[in-house]
Formats: sequence, structure tokens, C-alpha cells
Amino acid sequence: DIQLTQSPSSLSASVGDRVTITCQANQGINNFLNWYQQRPGEAPKLLIYDASNLDTGVPSRFSGGGSGTDFTFTISSLQPEDVATYYCQQYDNLPLTFGPGTKVDIK
Amino acid sequence: QVQLQESGPGLVKPSETLSLTCTVSGYSINRGYYWVWIRQPPGRGLEWIGSIYQNADTYYNPSLKSRLTMSVDTPRNQFSLKLSSVTAADTAVYYCAGSPGYSGPFDYWGQGSLVTVSS
Repeated sequence: DIQLTQSPSSLSASVGDRVTITCQANQGINNFLNWYQQRPGEAPKLLIYDASNLDTGVPSRFSGGGSGTDFTFTISSLQPEDVATYYCQQYDNLPLTFGPGTKVDIK
Repeated sequence: QVQLQESGPGLVKPSETLSLTCTVSGYSINRGYYWVWIRQPPGRGLEWIGSIYQNADTYYNPSLKSRLTMSVDTPRNQFSLKLSSVTAADTAVYYCAGSPGYSGPFDYWGQGSLVTVSS
């Protein structure tokens, strides 16, 4: 199975701050990586697919990048509604796997 | 607007079979999407269970494959999950989801259904 690690596991930042999360795979996965947002008590929501493509309707302050084993997810200006846990997910190999998540809070 | 809704018992006894159904509205279930189950133990991360396409193509997580059956009921626009011989480790919120391919991205999600395994 492909293992994904995320850093940091949690962070606290101020409104307007730039926030970056990394996702690292234990083997190359091309750009076969998606990012999801899970607000407290809600189902996950797709934000970014194929490492860097914004899903329809997702605000442009969210972005993703990377390829191979190292990926980044960035919120350019943190908003109160961005309080959530963010998960990366690889689809290069079965079984599909998710990272452990990064919890984002407002300072 | 595509909507998914899970239904099924919230409590299952150990060694019994967990059964859940996902009803899809706003989209014909045989129109080309894969239908997916994902679970999340309380306070923990997400685990892909499996993906199915029109009862003709299934992909299961190897860790669950021996206990897992997924199926599609086209007339009812539903798909279902059966997980046998459950233990407390199967306690989780179970999400149904939809994706354009068996591997994602998962762009439609149900609200989730908590299933507790306990005697």
C-alpha cells in the first residue's frame, strides 16, 4: 500500500495568513493526488484533483502543487470558514489511501 | 443537483453483517459514475472501502475484500454495502460517494451514517 504522510498534523493561524500543508508519498505517484476538506461534523468535500486542479466552485485562495512524492496544499489567505481537517488522497495504486489529515484552526 | 443519502441500522452485533444502502437522487445511477464507500472511525482518518460500476466492475480494499460485497440496484437508483463478521474495529461513520472513475476524485458525498458494532 502507498503510505501518505502529512505535515503538520495540526496548525493554528490568523485570519489572512498563508497556510501550507505538505503531503509526502512513500513512492512516486505522478500527479495522482486529490485534496479534501472536512469541516467539523460534515462529510469531506473535494477541493483539488490531479494535484493542482481546483474543483468547480472552490475559491481561488486554495491551490495545490507537486508531483512524484512531494505535494503541497496552500490557502493563500485563511478565512474563518476554512477551519477544517484537510486530507490528501492518492490514486496511483490500489488500495486508494488517504493521508492522516491536517487540522487547521484560527488563532 | 446530485444528492446521496445513506441508510441502515446504526447498531450491529459483533460477528453479524453490516448492511448499508445509499440512495442517489438527481442522477441516474447507470449513467457512468462509479459508486464508492468510504469509512471513518470516530476521531480518525478516512479509509476507502471499495468502488463499483453498474454491477459489472468492482474494486475492493484488499484488507476488507474477504468480508465485503457491494452491489447496485438500478431500478431503485441505489447501491449497497455488506460487510460480514464485523468487530468493534468496524465501528465508523460510513460515507457513500460518487466519482467519475473507480479511483476518484470523489466529488459527491452522502452525509455519513454512524454504525456502531456492539453487543
